[in-house]
Amino acid sequence: SQQGEEDPQALSIQEGENATMNCSYKTSINNLQWYRQNSGRGLVHLILIRSNEREKHSGRLRVTLDTSKKSSSLLITASRAADTASYFCASGAPGNNDMRFGAGTRLTVKP
Amino acid sequence: NAGVTQTPKFRVLKTGQSMTLLCAQDMNHEYMYWYRQDPGMGLRLIHYSVGEGTTAKGEVPDGYNVSRLKKQNFLLGLESAAPSQTSVYFCASSSTGTGGFRNQPQHFGDGTRLSIL
Repeated sequence: SQQGEEDPQALSIQEGENATMNCSYKTSINNLQWYRQNSGRGLVHLILIRSNEREKHSGRLRVTLDTSKKSSSLLITASRAADTASYFCASGAPGNNDMRFGAGTRLTVKP
Repeated sequence: NAGVTQTPKFRVLKTGQSMTLLCAQDMNHEYMYWYRQDPGMGLRLIHYSVGEGTTAKGEVPDGYNVSRLKKQNFLLGLESAAPSQTSVYFCASSSTGTGGFRNQPQHFGDGTRLSIL
């Protein structure tokens, strides 16, 4: 079964708006990572947040982690058409050797 | 740098045929992984390797075998292809770090699209 579950499954916004995607997971984690996947391409790592961190920034990206709620959110500010892609969260649980990916959020940014 | 390169990019097989997917990385990474991605689902780990000559099972290993004879290469084999193995296969690699391989960002190839008829 998948560790992470993204919400919403699909999101459509206008260029310049902010996009927020959420991820929930089931067990305790060492860290949580967010990836982007453009159509027909492989995943690209965006940001990693460790279990003892609550917030992390990278350019227009802001990631939060709430371990008490077993959830994370990815905020993309001032979105651009080039941000159109699928976004996945992935987490690794202590004692497990595999990182589990969610089903992803499909983001469409309209120019 | 090419990063992670997967060959072939596309392949169509008949049920029962065998084939090998090749993954090569030029980043001197210790860890390598094979995933499959199906519509509406995230990536599921098939097998992984933490170093040359070592492999381990992931979440969905049945029907697949792997080999890591050289550090830069990770091969995924389908011994007798089945329609259920129709998928997009991704290879990834990552560097070592504290806390185990899952703590490190993974670098992905662009995938192999495999159809089994």
